[in-house]
Amino acid sequence: DVVVTQYPLSLAVTLGQSASISCRSSHSLVSGDGNTYLHWFQQRPGQSPRRLIYKVSNRDSGVPDRFTGSGSGTDFTLTIGRVEAEDVGVYYCLQGTHWPPWTFGHGTRVEIK
Amino acid sequence: QVQLVESGGGVVQPGGSLRLSCRTSGFTFSTYGMHWIRQAPDKGLEWVAFIDPNKNYEFYTDSVKGRFVISRDNSKNTLFLDMNSLTSEDTAVYYCVGDYDYWGQGTLVTVSS
Repeated sequence: DVVVTQYPLSLAVTLGQSASISCRSSHSLVSGDGNTYLHWFQQRPGQSPRRLIYKVSNRDSGVPDRFTGSGSGTDFTLTIGRVEAEDVGVYYCLQGTHWPPWTFGHGTRVEIK
Repeated sequence: QVQLVESGGGVVQPGGSLRLSCRTSGFTFSTYGMHWIRQAPDKGLEWVAFIDPNKNYEFYTDSVKGRFVISRDNSKNTLFLDMNSLTSEDTAVYYCVGDYDYWGQGTLVTVSS
């Protein structure tokens, strides 16, 4: 199974500053079809998760442009530029290239300093 | 708008069974691969099971193989999860998820004597 390692486990950010979360896979996530199925999700307190970014860098509808996904192969990053109070929550990466199983990172908790 | 509404959660004794349902609307259910994802209390997200749009194949995480069965009724836009031989390790919020595009609000399953 593919292991997905996400770090840091938690992050305290000043409002208006940027934050970066990393996700590293034990195997390259480039699929045979040429796509890379690495996605990012946000879970605000008390809410269901929602996807922010799909296939590394594509923003879902309604996601603010301060959320940026990047990376390739085995190393990926979610960057939140100019953090706002509504960004508090836990962020997860998910690999969907080598399935089953689909594997999530352990999550990164983002809080405001 | 898109809705996924899970039901069937509750408190069950170890060794017991439950059937979760997920009624969906607002998207073409019959074209979506569907997942069950769970989240134990204060823990991260864990993929549990997947069924393809045409019910040709199903996959399960190792810890539930032989105990859980995922199924769907495309005529009723509904997803199911039959859970048997439940243990305390199955205690979690269970989310119905459509190809990771759409998430339900979750239903809590508590396995306790």
